[in-house]
Amino acid sequence: QKEVEQNSGPLSVPEGAIASLNCTYSDRVSQSFFWYRQYSGKSPELIMSIYSNGDKEDGRFTAQLNKASQYVSLLIRDSQPSDSATYLCAIRRDNYGQNFVFGPGTRLSVLP
Amino acid sequence: EADIYQTPRYLVIGTGKKITLECSQTMGHDKMYWYQQDPGMELHLIHYSYGVNSTEKGDLSSESTVSRIRTEHFPLTLESARPSHTSQYLCASSEQTTNEKLFFGSGTQLSVL
Repeated sequence: QKEVEQNSGPLSVPEGAIASLNCTYSDRVSQSFFWYRQYSGKSPELIMSIYSNGDKEDGRFTAQLNKASQYVSLLIRDSQPSDSATYLCAIRRDNYGQNFVFGPGTRLSVLP
Repeated sequence: EADIYQTPRYLVIGTGKKITLECSQTMGHDKMYWYQQDPGMELHLIHYSYGVNSTEKGDLSSESTVSRIRTEHFPLTLESARPSHTSQYLCASSEQTTNEKLFFGSGTQLSVL
């Protein structure tokens, strides 16, 4: 079992819809959780970080964290074709070793 | 403006050549990382550093080496490039704080012929 798991997709949603991306992790000591967006051929760009249970909203993006169930999700409201990218979930375990762990990413396609 | 820079952006080179990929950050971050990523595939950590004179190997076995003589500079060297080294190389940095975040450079796309 991988430490961070995501559905590879592709996830296709129509323009204007809500895109829901999910991520599960196995290490209960994980402290911080991140969503990165990566366009094809580009480097990952940090779009959301969340550290405590509940929801965190930033514009059209909402991150949700449930530590008891070990999952973190990203909702994108009013999806736009420019949101089409691969979304990487990442966790930070603790201040030791290789403390950032990335999931394989979910490819999102927003159809005009 | 604080940022993380990688050069070159693209590199095409012949087999057997020695190459160095440059990475510099102006954010004063202690930690720096090198990731390798093939198209459509996962990120793989190949090297990381916690500070000056600190370097460690990551999850993915790599024939590359790194050095950290200055806080802001973390170059990656391939002594003898091979076609199997063709990939995108991503440099990243982070500051060790409670809410530590990882920031990436724009990457170097390496093609070895």
